[in-house]
Amino acid sequence: KNQVEQSPQSLIILEGKNCTLQCNYTVSPFSNLRWYKQDTGRGPVSLTIMTFSENTKSNGRYTATLDADTKQSSLHITASQLSDSASYICVVSPVNDYKLSFGAGTTVTVRA
Amino acid sequence: DTGVSQDPRHKITKRGQNVTFRCDPISEHNRLYWYRQTLGQGPEFLTYFQNEAQLEKSRLLSDRFSAERPKGSFSTLEIQRTEQGDSAMYLCASSLGGEDQPQHFGDGTRLSIL
Repeated sequence: KNQVEQSPQSLIILEGKNCTLQCNYTVSPFSNLRWYKQDTGRGPVSLTIMTFSENTKSNGRYTATLDADTKQSSLHITASQLSDSASYICVVSPVNDYKLSFGAGTTVTVRA
Repeated sequence: DTGVSQDPRHKITKRGQNVTFRCDPISEHNRLYWYRQTLGQGPEFLTYFQNEAQLEKSRLLSDRFSAERPKGSFSTLEIQRTEQGDSAMYLCASSLGGEDQPQHFGDGTRLSIL
């Protein structure tokens, strides 16, 4: 069973609207949790990183939250733009282990 | 931009052929990783190098797969006797040492087996 589960699998939103992506994980203990953005045909690019003690981290219109008690994270996209169309992957880094645990990603499509 | 570079970007080959991919990491990064990603899935770990030493290979890496990093800089991933199931995106990433260091990904090599 995957240790990182993301939902929804995909979503479609209109340009200018907001959306929230969910990530549930079982990796424990963990060092940090990252959200990556992966454009079609490209490699993943890190958006945010949070340690277990952090609750929120922002990067422009992207805001990630973390609840280490419930083992949940979310990524909120504000005022979406067409360029936000991509797959967003939740990645958990276990303590003392270089092997990352990847979610399957949420595919976001922003339409004009 | 001296990010992680992968070559080729796309490879189409017939079943049974051998293929080799190259990854050039960020120059000061001593750690290098290979991943495989199929459509709609996150990357799956294949193997990891620290400098020139290959420290771990996933069970996903059958004996048809071999990876090298001869001088601790660039790395190659070779697949022998390719099969249909090998069709995927092969991603390379590199990082500095330390678990808080982010892995920087290349844009991958898309392999298609005919």
